Amino acid sequence: EVQLVESGGGLVKPGGSLRLSCAASGFTFSTYTMNWVRQAPGKGLEWVSSINSRGHYIYYADSMKGRFTISRDDTEHSLYLQMSSLRSDDTAVYYCASEDPMLRGVLKSWGQGTLVTVSS
Amino acid sequence: DVQMTQSPSTLSASVGDRVTITCRASQSVSIWLAWYQQKPGKAPRLLIYQASTLESGVPSRFSGSGSGADFTLTISSLQPDDFATYFCQQYDTYSTFGQGTKVEVK
Repeated sequence: EVQLVESGGGLVKPGGSLRLSCAASGFTFSTYTMNWVRQAPGKGLEWVSSINSRGHYIYYADSMKGRFTISRDDTEHSLYLQMSSLRSDDTAVYYCASEDPMLRGVLKSWGQGTLVTVSS
Repeated sequence: DVQMTQSPSTLSASVGDRVTITCRASQSVSIWLAWYQQKPGKAPRLLIYQASTLESGVPSRFSGSGSGADFTLTISSLQPDDFATYFCQQYDTYSTFGQGTKVEVK
């Protein structure tokens, strides 16, 4: 069974940094493209970033470019999101999600999310 | 950027109703369109991908159609478990979600 478990969320001041983690199990993590998607309180879903199976192709939503860095450690079966220069509008639940290797872009499995609150 | 617009934002319906949600892209996304269901406090769940392919385990009362820029999610006979928020997602160019459609009890 695919399991994705996010951690690392919490309260951070504006301008601060935070590193989110996503622990994966139940599938061959190294072969999957992974994504971060966020959801502000009471709002819709917003795609944040993706990283392909070998980490060669990395993409970000425009509003996250230069502030967020996605990475992965296939030996640890983990996905990461380093966030810096955080703003109040970055407050959201952050989900990690996996793509089926045969279905590029389709987010088949999701974690339960971790809440990031940016506030002074 | 590809913008996705869903309508309506909220839909009031009763059990047994046929429900239709539409999603329009700002440019053609071919068939690279997925639908997700989300319940309060839970992660989204994939329902349909490639515009019309039902994900394994999803009830057959859910169906999707469309191509290019106009897409539809239909629930043929609404069940109590279907009251939730539905999102479309284009994955032709990176990824963009619609703003969501909340299906509530009439």
